[in-house]
Amino acid sequence: GENVEQHPSTLSVQEGDSAVIKCTYSDSASNYFPWYKQELGKRPQLIIDIRSNVGEKKDQRIAVTLNKTAKHFSLHITETQPEDSAVYFCAAARSGGGADGLTFGKGTHLIIQP
Amino acid sequence: DSGVTQTPKHLITATGQRVTLRCSPRSGDLSVYWYQQSLDQGLQFLIQYYNGEERAKGNILERFSAQQFPDLHSELNLSSLELGDSALYFCASSLGGTSSGNTIYFGEGSWLTVV
Repeated sequence: GENVEQHPSTLSVQEGDSAVIKCTYSDSASNYFPWYKQELGKRPQLIIDIRSNVGEKKDQRIAVTLNKTAKHFSLHITETQPEDSAVYFCAAARSGGGADGLTFGKGTHLIIQP
Repeated sequence: DSGVTQTPKHLITATGQRVTLRCSPRSGDLSVYWYQQSLDQGLQFLIQYYNGEERAKGNILERFSAQQFPDLHSELNLSSLELGDSALYFCASSLGGTSSGNTIYFGEGSWLTVV
């Protein structure tokens, strides 16, 4: 099955700086890569996603890049703000095979220092 | 609000007991997923149902079972509970599968504490 590795587990950046979270996946058949933000005790919320036919996608201060050859994808947050503090999860989903569930990374605790 | 409804929000029960968690997917969604989240294991995929049929199994224990009913709501049954089953259980739904290009939306979760 799919295996998703996520780094770093904790990331502390100064407010206004950029943050980058990286993930690698194992299954070359994976074709959907979402990122979820989870605040303490709350549900994961989709913030951005990318599919394998796209190399980069941007939404305001958030961007995701995908390198299918190397099997890794990254989340970039620019001009970080205090409300960006949360745990971020990357995930991957395989195409076909009957299994459509997401395999998640272990999460990155992003801390924005004022 | 994601549109996915889970009940109960909090549940405290004793070891050895059985509980049922309930989930109503977003209107129109046919796929329901169950995830377990604990501090040391992250978000673990348990099981997926699509239009009433089991579609995929993840790391679901034999003591756990689930089903999806004709009205598409789903229930996760946890039996012979152990202390280690204490976790936040999320239900999620999507129109179809993610391989079909569908986004998964999570409910608010059910906090289970086993004492």
